[in-house]
Amino acid sequence: DTAVSQTPKYLVTQMGNDKSIKCEQNLGHDTMYWYKQDSKKFLKIMFSYNNKELIINETVPNRFSPKSPDKAHLNLHINSLELGDSAVYFCASSQKGGETQYFGPGTRLLVL
Amino acid sequence: GDSVTQMEGPVTLSEEAFLTINCTYTATGYPSLFWYVQYPGEGLQLLLKATKADDKGSNKGFEATYRKETTSFHLEKGSVQVSDSAVYFCALSGSNSGYALNFGKGTSLLVTP
Repeated sequence: DTAVSQTPKYLVTQMGNDKSIKCEQNLGHDTMYWYKQDSKKFLKIMFSYNNKELIINETVPNRFSPKSPDKAHLNLHINSLELGDSAVYFCASSQKGGETQYFGPGTRLLVL
Repeated sequence: GDSVTQMEGPVTLSEEAFLTINCTYTATGYPSLFWYVQYPGEGLQLLLKATKADDKGSNKGFEATYRKETTSFHLEKGSVQVSDSAVYFCALSGSNSGYALNFGKGTSLLVTP
């Protein structure tokens, strides 16, 4: 069983489009995260949710909006995609803050 | 704010060589420290962790010790294998950052036969 899953794995789209990435964890964890990995492999936190409540909201453009319908899901919606949004987006989860985070396989987004 | 500095690669070693990847951190309070590994085209996997000073994390022959006096968490392995070729990330998690992982820039390791 996959612990943290993301869909889609690859996403190629045009500038200006709106897209969503879905994340699900079956570990029973309370906290979920979105990270962005740029072309130089640098990883940076975007958002964190605990029990469906937003905990961390780093300085990302407000075109990015996370949504947590329940504790096991944290989706990422991106409006008006730009070339600079091309990156790998990772979802992660942990039992609670400070504990080990388990990562999904990543979604490779390419904006043309 | 909290930050992590790790040596930048790429690092190229022959099989069975000794590996050290340096990692130092800046943080207030008492963060937890982690090493994650990313194999080509894959997500991140936890390699090892330490949650308090003088703790040693170990896994698959890799080790790192949480040194508060030198604010370091260097990764070591006595004898690397070709299958260890990957990118290694040092990271910390503390209350200052809401427990999000704060990553170093990653060190690419290539092990040749």
